[in-house]
Amino acid sequence: AQTVTQSQPEMSVQEAETVTLSCTYDTSENNYYLFWYKQPPSRQMILVIRQEAYKQQNATENRFSVNFQKAAKSFSLKISDSQLGDTAMYFCAFILSGGSQGNLIFGKGTKLSVKP
Amino acid sequence: DTGVSQDPRHKITKRGQNVTFRCDPISEHNRLYWYRQTLGQGPEFLTYFQNEAQLEKSRLLSDRFSAERPKGSFSTLEIQRTEQGDSAMYLCASSPRGGSYNSPLHFGNGTRLTVT
Repeated sequence: AQTVTQSQPEMSVQEAETVTLSCTYDTSENNYYLFWYKQPPSRQMILVIRQEAYKQQNATENRFSVNFQKAAKSFSLKISDSQLGDTAMYFCAFILSGGSQGNLIFGKGTKLSVKP
Repeated sequence: DTGVSQDPRHKITKRGQNVTFRCDPISEHNRLYWYRQTLGQGPEFLTYFQNEAQLEKSRLLSDRFSAERPKGSFSTLEIQRTEQGDSAMYLCASSPRGGSYNSPLHFGNGTRLTVT
């Protein structure tokens, strides 16, 4: 069975600084997708960034980038130039390619607070 | 794009009562998902529809739970004989053709259920 582990329940960062959120996962499969979703307080969960396992190049989306280490089964999220609006729960998620369409497996989340 | 809409936002019910939640996906999305999120956890997959067909159900979806998506539009999730352990946030998400790993899931705000 696949699992996703986020070892940092809470983190904080000063505005404009950089923070890295950790995520590890466990699977015996080779083809899968990894995601970071953001859930702001009392707001909808939205996709931050996505990584295909077959791609060696790390995904980037503006201030958000990932460090994907397939052999280590690690998928960390780096947020540069943190903004107050980045305050949210961040969930790492995993899905097998070609498998269940709906069965995204989420970690328990990391609560990020950006301080002014 | 008005987003995924869920109703009600909050529901308080007594143990043993039946409850029904509604989800209206983004109109052109043919895939609809239900997730459950308990305090301190990431969302857990419950079930998934493609158009009106319920294609997958998680083991979490006991026989007290039933979901429908008549005509492939809105969906309802009913919980019969509620138990205190059913207290959670119930999240609905939709995605366009292509599946959750090719297309991001668009989540609603969720329905928070409290069973007393």
